[in-house]
Amino acid sequence: KNEVEQSPQNLTAQEGEFITINCSYSVGISALHWLQQHPGGGIVSLFMLSSGKKKHGRLIATINIQEKHSSLHITASHPRDSAVYICAVTLATGNQFYFGTGTSLTVIP
Amino acid sequence: DAGVIQSPRHEVTEMGQEVTLRCKPISGHDYLFWYRQTMMRGLELLIYFNNNVPIDDSGMPEDRFSAKMPNASFSTLKIQPSEPRDSAVYFCASRKDRAGEQYFGPGTRLTVT
Repeated sequence: KNEVEQSPQNLTAQEGEFITINCSYSVGISALHWLQQHPGGGIVSLFMLSSGKKKHGRLIATINIQEKHSSLHITASHPRDSAVYICAVTLATGNQFYFGTGTSLTVIP
Repeated sequence: DAGVIQSPRHEVTEMGQEVTLRCKPISGHDYLFWYRQTMMRGLELLIYFNNNVPIDDSGMPEDRFSAKMPNASFSTLKIQPSEPRDSAVYFCASRKDRAGEQYFGPGTRLTVT
């Protein structure tokens, strides 16, 4: 059983499309994280959320605590957005992390 | 700041050898995390420290793995003896406080033959 589920697992989009990646979790959390991992392997933290919505450039992250669901949106997608996007949660009971399996995004020019 | 620094970036070793991975967190960060990433299991938290003290090591696979943080600017993850199934990318990350963002190092790609 996975505490964190992401969908879709793989996503291919045309440049300029609006993209949504979903994350659902089954445990009580203190925070939810969206991470980006490029083909070179480096991991960057995009957002940390405990409620509401955050925006950074073309990226928007939302969370619904009652429904235990978060979405990551990318507006006007670009080939440089191609990466694996990973959802992770910090448990409310401590600092333990649970990770989703990631969504592999490819944006075609 | 140079970010989280890990060394070596790549390590190839033979089964049975001792492997030591090193991490320097961002200065002023109170939390340090060690993760492992494999194709089969994705990202897993191995252990984390708060103010140099190990808080949760429940993710450490077995007694062959050990981690230390002798001071605020240095941590090691040791595998002795190493096995082929330990082959993975090992990431170190640091965080300023409980509510802060995590910053990841570039990772160490370990191959055990």
